[in-house]
Amino acid sequence: LAKTTQPISMDSYEGQEVNITCSHNNIATNDYITWYQQFPSQGPRFIIQGYKTKVTNEVASLFIPADRKSSTLSLPRVSLSDTAVYYCLVGDLPGYSSASKIIFGSGTRLSIRP
Amino acid sequence: DTAVSQTPKYLVTQMGNDKSIKCEQNLGHDTMYWYKQDSKKFLKIMFSYNNKELIINETVPNRFSPKSPDKAHLNLHINSLELGDSAVYFCASSPAEMKGGEQYFGPGTRLTVT
Repeated sequence: LAKTTQPISMDSYEGQEVNITCSHNNIATNDYITWYQQFPSQGPRFIIQGYKTKVTNEVASLFIPADRKSSTLSLPRVSLSDTAVYYCLVGDLPGYSSASKIIFGSGTRLSIRP
Repeated sequence: DTAVSQTPKYLVTQMGNDKSIKCEQNLGHDTMYWYKQDSKKFLKIMFSYNNKELIINETVPNRFSPKSPDKAHLNLHINSLELGDSAVYFCASSPAEMKGGEQYFGPGTRLTVT
């Protein structure tokens, strides 16, 4: 099973670019990499997903090196409202295979200061 | 309109009781999930349910039983509640045809067992 490792916490300031890296050394060929954002007392919210190289949407960019053993979520010009926990998820959906293959990382608590 | 809704939002009960948490999604998704988030914020999948096929995480005690009356609903019934069941339970859904990990989460149900 692909285990993920993320920094426990990060701090930054408004207007800065923030990069959060997730390690997933045992990623399988069929696994996708997905990042979620979670605010207190809310469910996780999908941010971005990728398989390889670079993916960009209106919220973030996701960089995945050729070996896919890590990925980096990049948040451009963060604001106070980006303070949240960010989870890296490695797995393959839908649940045709074992549900236990869907593994969330421990999350990175990002704190943005004025 | 709320995409994925759960009831109740808070549930306080005593050990040994039986309780249910309800989940409904209006996104037309084929796959639904139950997750447990413990006090350390680890998010672990419990079940996935795809077109009436249940995929069970083998680490979940059989006191937990998901019930899906139709594609839009996946309820979680818990028998003989224990102190260790205290956690936040999230329901989620995803399109069956979508690979990877884009799931839509409900707001969560905070279960406290005393």
